[in-house]
Parts: sequence; structure tokens; C-alpha cells
Amino acid sequence: DVKVTQSSRYLVKRTGEKVFLECVQDMDHENMFWYRQDPGLGLRLIYFSYDVKMKEKGDIPEGYSVSREKKERFSLILESASTNQTSMYLCASSILTTRNNQPQHFGDGTRLSIL
Amino acid sequence: AQSVAQPEDQVNVAEGNPLTVKCTYSVSGNPYLFWYVQYPNRGLQFLLKYITGDNLVKGSYGFEAEFNKSQTSFHLKKPSALVSDSALYFCAVRVRDDKIIFGKGTRLHILP
Repeated sequence: DVKVTQSSRYLVKRTGEKVFLECVQDMDHENMFWYRQDPGLGLRLIYFSYDVKMKEKGDIPEGYSVSREKKERFSLILESASTNQTSMYLCASSILTTRNNQPQHFGDGTRLSIL
Repeated sequence: AQSVAQPEDQVNVAEGNPLTVKCTYSVSGNPYLFWYVQYPNRGLQFLLKYITGDNLVKGSYGFEAEFNKSQTSFHLKKPSALVSDSALYFCAVRVRDDKIIFGKGTRLHILP
């Protein structure tokens, strides 16, 4: 089974801090994704990466950056945390295929609170 | 614009009854459609997908989904609901490459 591990289940940080959320997958997947989940809004894509050192903005990239130095690890960075970034953050990975028809596999999420 | 809609925020079903969770989509080209389930304090788990072929797709935990091209729908179904099916369900559609978009989710309550 694919395992996607997010380093923290719960995290509390202060406004203005630089915050790192880490995600590791063990199935050699090319694609990795960061989403945030908010009640009534579903999942919204922040950034995704289809290869090492490659990244592409999703629908809500403002206030975030990402890093992918190794294939198995994809980090989400909140440059200067703000209270409106309090949310559940979900990491996912998927295998790259020519038909792009494979499901994404998710970690258990990090519930981030910014005080 | 490409989109996916789940018209019901919540669905209540008595245990043992059939259940349906609705999803409609709008994409250009042939749709790749997915259903995921989320249990409390967990990430999303893949249930099933439609890529091509039979309009009735079978997935995990006894769930199935019916693809209807003319109605642009992909409703999730189960013949007999269990209390353990209570969870948040997301419909999703591929929009390009490996990027998919999710519906807002439907909370399913199975009443004992």
C-alpha cells in the first residue's frame, strides 16, 4: 500500500512565524500535491510538483511556497503565517502515467492553527 | 469552466436502506471521475474511478457509481448502508495532466 506521511498531525504557530509542513511518500511517485481543506469549501490546490525541483502553482498559492529537493519529499512553507491560514493541510501523491488516470493517495493531514 | 458539484451538503439514510450521493461535472473532453471518502481526522481514501468502459463502476467497501454522460453525472451508490459508512464523501474530476478538482463534499449520516 502507498503510504503518505505528514510529519505533524497538529501544529500551533504564531502570526508572522515561518512554518514548514513536511510530507514524505514511499512509492516513488512522480507527482505530489498540497491542498488545504476548509469546511464548505472542499479541497483547494495550493501547489503541486511533477518532478524533483519542479513546481506549479495551484488555485491558491498566495502566501505559500514549496520545496521538492528529493523525489519522496514535498514541503509546504508558510513564509509569514497569518490567522487566515488556519486550516487542515493535506498532502497527496500519484504516479505519473501517459493517461493521467491514476488516483491520488493522501496523508492524514496536518491541522494547523495560527494564533 | 471546468467544475464538479455535489448538490447536497448532507444526506441522511437509515441503516440497511440504499444510499445515493450525487455528483455532476463539467469538463471538456472525456471525463476521468473519482470518488473519495474521508473519515474523521483522516486523509482522503480512494473509493473508485471512471475512465472509460462500463457506466457502472464498482469500488471499495461495496460502493459503486453510475456514470451518465447525457446528464453529466457520476452518482455514488450502495445497495445497503452501514453505520460505518458515515463519513464525508468527495467527488473529483481530472481537469488536465494530473490535476484534479474536488467537489465541496457531502456528509453522509447513516442512522441506526
